[in-house]
Amino acid sequence: GAGVSQSPSNKVTEKGKDVELRCDPISGHTALYWYRQSLGQGLEFLIYFQGNSAPDKSGLPSDRFSAERTGGSVSTLTIQRTQQEDSAVYLCASSLRPVGYGYTFGSGTRLTVV
Amino acid sequence: ELKVEQNPLFLSMQEGKNYTIYCNYSTTSDRLYWYRQDPGKSLESLFVLLSNGAVKQEGRLMASLDTKARLSTLHITAAVHDLSATYFCAVDDTDKLIFGTGTRLQVFP
Repeated sequence: GAGVSQSPSNKVTEKGKDVELRCDPISGHTALYWYRQSLGQGLEFLIYFQGNSAPDKSGLPSDRFSAERTGGSVSTLTIQRTQQEDSAVYLCASSLRPVGYGYTFGSGTRLTVV
Repeated sequence: ELKVEQNPLFLSMQEGKNYTIYCNYSTTSDRLYWYRQDPGKSLESLFVLLSNGAVKQEGRLMASLDTKARLSTLHITAAVHDLSATYFCAVDDTDKLIFGTGTRLQVFP
């Protein structure tokens, strides 16, 4: 596609429920990243994929968070047993290479846990 | 661990004035990025700086990189209201970007 597509754009969920956030990167981009932006804060790195592998998942805040990528394309970020502190905007980015080749960000998923 | 600091965190400036946003980072990196974010929107790429001494300009914005000082600057010339947004710098850390805290810029008449 022309850009990085994320869905849903907004998600309201009850505390304790599981949620899945989807990212569709630019076609051909081998690297994919998930970031989290809490209200009024900067961007916090969560996980990086190169192809279908995740060489760096150091930013995942707890074992409730997981992510996968299939076919070197679409990625899903899953948050289990959501908590109120999970409320944030989750941004996905893709890049041709892991370093130094420019990153394109999606419009994000705004997650609200009530 | 790479840390990226921006200052100021908040900048309120009058139209027509000049100002500079600073981005310091803690470990060696040759690649630095500047992004703009409007409220409720995603990040828009402004500049990619790939080497020491790199300088790029687009309209009223100019970015520079000094890798020896581990410092990048984003200079605003003759600010206009349309530049009001949050500006982030980000530094390559092996396999990912590490972002600064952001500078919220507000330009008033």
